[in-house]
Amino acid sequence: DIQMTQSPSVLSASVGDRVTLNCKASQNINKYLNWYQQKLGEAPKLLIYNTNNLQTGIPSRFSGSGSGTDYTLTISSLQPEDVATYFCFQHNSWPWTFGGGTKLELK
Amino acid sequence: QIQLVQSGPELKKPGESVKISCKASGYTFTDYAMHWVKQAPGKGLKWMGWINTYTGKPTYADDFKGRFVFSLEASASTANLQISNLKNEDTATYFCARGDGGPDYWGQGVMVTVSS
Repeated sequence: DIQMTQSPSVLSASVGDRVTLNCKASQNINKYLNWYQQKLGEAPKLLIYNTNNLQTGIPSRFSGSGSGTDYTLTISSLQPEDVATYFCFQHNSWPWTFGGGTKLELK
Repeated sequence: QIQLVQSGPELKKPGESVKISCKASGYTFTDYAMHWVKQAPGKGLKWMGWINTYTGKPTYADDFKGRFVFSLEASASTANLQISNLKNEDTATYFCARGDGGPDYWGQGVMVTVSS
């Protein structure tokens, strides 16, 4: 199985900061990498699919990049409503797998 | 608009069974696979597998082979998850989620509590 490792596990940042979340796969996942946002008590929401494609309705401050085994989610200017846990997800190889999550807090 | 509406919370005893439903609307049900995802309390997301809504063929991740069954009522645009011989470690929220290249739209989740 492909292991997905997210870092950091907790990130504290201020409103307006540029924030970078990382996701590392145990093997090449050919850019088949999605990012999800989960707010407390809610279902996950798809933000980015296939590394760098913004899902419809998601603000443009969210962007994704990466290739091979290393992927990044960037929030260009952190807003209060971005407080959530973020999960990466690979759909290149069975079984598909999630990362452990990064909890994003306001400083 | 696309919606996945899941059934309500369940409280079960060890050894019992539970069936969770997920009713889709706003799109053609058979055009997209349906995934199932487990989230234990305070933990991350675990992909359980998916069902091909056109053929009805399920695919299970290794940890979910045996006691877990994905099924369809395609005429009602509904996917179901049945868990038999419930164990304490099955206590979790279970999400259905539509998608082919990974889930895109998600149901609200169903909390299943297993306690004696």
